[in-house]
Amino acid sequence: QKEVEQNSGPLSVPEGAIASLNCTYSDRVSQSFFWYRQYSGKSPELIMSIYSNGDKEDGRFTAQLNKASQYVSLLIRDSQPSDSATYLCAVNVGTGFQKLVFGTGTRLLVSP
Amino acid sequence: DVKVTQSSRYLVKRTGEKVFLECVQDMDHENMFWYRQDPGLGLRLIYFSYDVKMKEKGDIPEGYSVSREKKERFSLILESASTNQTSMYLCASSSLETEAFFGQGTRLTVV
Repeated sequence: QKEVEQNSGPLSVPEGAIASLNCTYSDRVSQSFFWYRQYSGKSPELIMSIYSNGDKEDGRFTAQLNKASQYVSLLIRDSQPSDSATYLCAVNVGTGFQKLVFGTGTRLLVSP
Repeated sequence: DVKVTQSSRYLVKRTGEKVFLECVQDMDHENMFWYRQDPGLGLRLIYFSYDVKMKEKGDIPEGYSVSREKKERFSLILESASTNQTSMYLCASSSLETEAFFGQGTRLTVV
């Protein structure tokens, strides 16, 4: 079983819709979780970090964490064509130090 | 702004060559990481370091080594480059358990 799993997509949504991206992880002791966006040919850039159960909102983005289910998600409201990118879920699986492991990413396509 | 700088954007090397990829960060971060990214396989962790002179193997360390003599610099070494090491290499740094910041990437081609 992979440490961090994501559906590769593509996930296609129309402009203005809500995009829902999901990620599961295998290490129960993980404490910190991150969502990155990566445009083609570019480096990943951080969108959200989340450390405790529940929701965390930042503008059009909401990260949701459920440690009991080992599940983290990212909601993008009012999706825009500029949101079309690959979204990477990252989990710190280290104990006492940081070991960041990434999922393979979900490609999101937002159509005008 | 955090800056993570990789020494080369594009690199072409011959099979069997020893290859050095350099990464420098300017935010006094404790943690540094080397990943490679391949289509369909995502970002895979090669090595990471949580302190000067400390290194830990990631998920795919075979064929690679690393060096961290100074806090700001983390080098990835391909001892004898092979064609299956053709990839995009990404360096990242972070402070304790906060988010990681990435360099611009080095696209390495081994011929």
